[in-house]
Amino acid sequence: AQSVTQPDIHITVSEGASLELRCNYSYGATPYLFWYVQSPGQGLQLLLKYFSGDTLVQGIKGFEAEFKRSQSSFNLRKPSVHWSDAAEYFCASLLSVGNEKLTFGTGTRLTIIP
Amino acid sequence: NAGVMQNPRHLVRRRGQEARLRCSPMKGHSHVYWYRQLPEEGLKFMVYLQKENIIDESGMPKERFSAEFPKEGPSILRIQQVVRGDSAAYFCASSPLLVNEQFFGPGTRLTVL
Repeated sequence: AQSVTQPDIHITVSEGASLELRCNYSYGATPYLFWYVQSPGQGLQLLLKYFSGDTLVQGIKGFEAEFKRSQSSFNLRKPSVHWSDAAEYFCASLLSVGNEKLTFGTGTRLTIIP
Repeated sequence: NAGVMQNPRHLVRRRGQEARLRCSPMKGHSHVYWYRQLPEEGLKFMVYLQKENIIDESGMPKERFSAEFPKEGPSILRIQQVVRGDSAAYFCASSPLLVNEQFFGPGTRLTVL
């Protein structure tokens, strides 16, 4: 069965600093990969997705993620965080078109300090 | 185009009562998914429906939980005889046909007293 691991439960960074959130997936083939953001009390918003092709994916709000097959990773990055980026971030995978169950990691809570 | 709508946003029930959660997908979306988020956890898939059909309910508890997506009207997630362990946020997502991106609603936060 596929699984998604986010090893960091909570990360604190200073405003303006760079950010990297880790995500590893466990599945033989390459799944479809997503990063979602959830603000307190809100639903999930899609930041970016990877299906195939270029392994560096650009998303909204200045985020990007890099797919590395050799490491089974899909880490999310941002060069300079803003206080408004404080939220919970979820990595998710989808096995294939037609298998529509998103498998989520347990999330990483991001705190921004001034 | 309005997003995915869920109501109520907050629902309080006493043990043994029934909870009905509603989800209206985005216009033009024919697929609906329900996920449950327990406190301090990620979202877990429950069920995937198309109009009048349950496609995959492998994540649904075998008892007390049911879901439907009728030809007309919203999708309904129904929990009978709720217990405290059902307290969670329930999210609905929708997608168009042949597009593997899911758009999420704001969720319904169920509290069982």
